[in-house]
Amino acid sequence: QAVLTQPSSLSASPGASASLTCTLRSGVNVGTYNIYWFQQKPGSPPRYLLRYKSASDKRQGSGVPSRFSGSKDASANAGILLISGLQSEDEADYYCMLWHSNTWVFGGGTKLAVL
Amino acid sequence: QVQLVQSGAEVKKPGASVKVSCKASGYTFTSYDINWVRQATGQGLEWLGWMNPNTGNTGYAQKFQGRITMTRDTSINTAYMELSSLTSEDTAVYYCAQNWPLTGDFDHWGQGTLVTVSS
Repeated sequence: QAVLTQPSSLSASPGASASLTCTLRSGVNVGTYNIYWFQQKPGSPPRYLLRYKSASDKRQGSGVPSRFSGSKDASANAGILLISGLQSEDEADYYCMLWHSNTWVFGGGTKLAVL
Repeated sequence: QVQLVQSGAEVKKPGASVKVSCKASGYTFTSYDINWVRQATGQGLEWLGWMNPNTGNTGYAQKFQGRITMTRDTSINTAYMELSSLTSEDTAVYYCAQNWPLTGDFDHWGQGTLVTVSS
């Protein structure tokens, strides 16, 4: 079973909010990890969005709008990227990442469509 | 401003090696780690390893142990990633990314280098 699992796709309407989940494998406790989020558009390298460990331990990427935010759902053992006020330019692939067993591990990515 | 400029596309035969460079500018090269990440067409991101340009220390993903080498030339602020024993499964875009040591804050990325392995 993969360490990080992301839904392959998600769609939402302009102006709405989108919640992208990154579920950790059983036995890998989300509470102990920094979860990183990246955005990637076709033909471009990934863009760092943010890091989230807790409400008091987080980091926003330079130039990343505040409508991108991170959180965790301990009951689901998942990291969450919340994008509010969706814009057409938010249509992209989103990847989560964490450090596990001396390896940077990426989730499989979620393709977000803004329809 | 921080820039990471990678070398151009490569075409290699199976069994060959490839060496991709990543030239850094706009910051102190030895103060940040360099990581390498690859992406096959239509696929997700895969981490290959990291290097500390100050010490030369490296850490590689287990999958690539034995056939990957990361080096640097601090005189020209350039990091290198060499991958040997190439197969078609190594066909991908390879990215370098800069981060503060021991963090996943990959703030800056190179433009990517397409490596095609084909007979």
